[in-house]
Amino acid sequence: QAVVTQEPSLTVSPGGTVTLTCGSGTGGVTSGHYPYWFQQMPGQVPRTLIYDTGNKHSWTPARFSGSLLGGKAALTLSGAQPEDEAEYYCLLVYSGVVVFGGGTKLTVL
Amino acid sequence: EVQVVESGGGLVQPGGSLRLSCAVSGLSFSNYWMNWVRQAPGKGLEWVANIKPDGSQKYYVDSVKGRFTISRDDAKYSVYLQMNNLRAEDTAVYYCMTGGGYWGQGTLVTVSS
Repeated sequence: QAVVTQEPSLTVSPGGTVTLTCGSGTGGVTSGHYPYWFQQMPGQVPRTLIYDTGNKHSWTPARFSGSLLGGKAALTLSGAQPEDEAEYYCLLVYSGVVVFGGGTKLTVL
Repeated sequence: EVQVVESGGGLVQPGGSLRLSCAVSGLSFSNYWMNWVRQAPGKGLEWVANIKPDGSQKYYVDSVKGRFTISRDDAKYSVYLQMNNLRAEDTAVYYCMTGGGYWGQGTLVTVSS
């Protein structure tokens, strides 16, 4: 099954902007991979931030946005807050088969 | 409000079986793909299986093929995961996730003698 790649860790300053990416081992990521982005705090249930590339849920803070960027799915956080420090996972769909990325640990420091 | 509630986890010996259930409310269940996702202690998220809205297609991660079976009952707004021949490496919190990304709280499966 395909491999989905994420940055293992990133650091952003409070109020800063950071972009997390999600790449596919089979080539470029497209909207047909239906990219999702999830946030997980330690000991908590994952929370969906973005689905189908750029769609937000009612609970998704406005500072998060999803897009396709340079052949990858991207999650951009604009105006980072201390509470955004968490593990972030992406997901891609390959003709029904779902693959999660390994996660990015985001530090706000 | 969408609610997703898993049940059926527990302690089972290697080689044993468990059936997980997931009940959904607050959305038009029959229109949604349904997924099972697991997370082993201290590890990342791993997709396990999913099922198409009409139940005609099912997909599995390679490590569970031939051992796990996903099914759904649209009349009961429920999806199930039958897990047979369980192994220690199946130990994890199992989450039910809808298409669109609604998650349950998870149910813990521990495979140990």
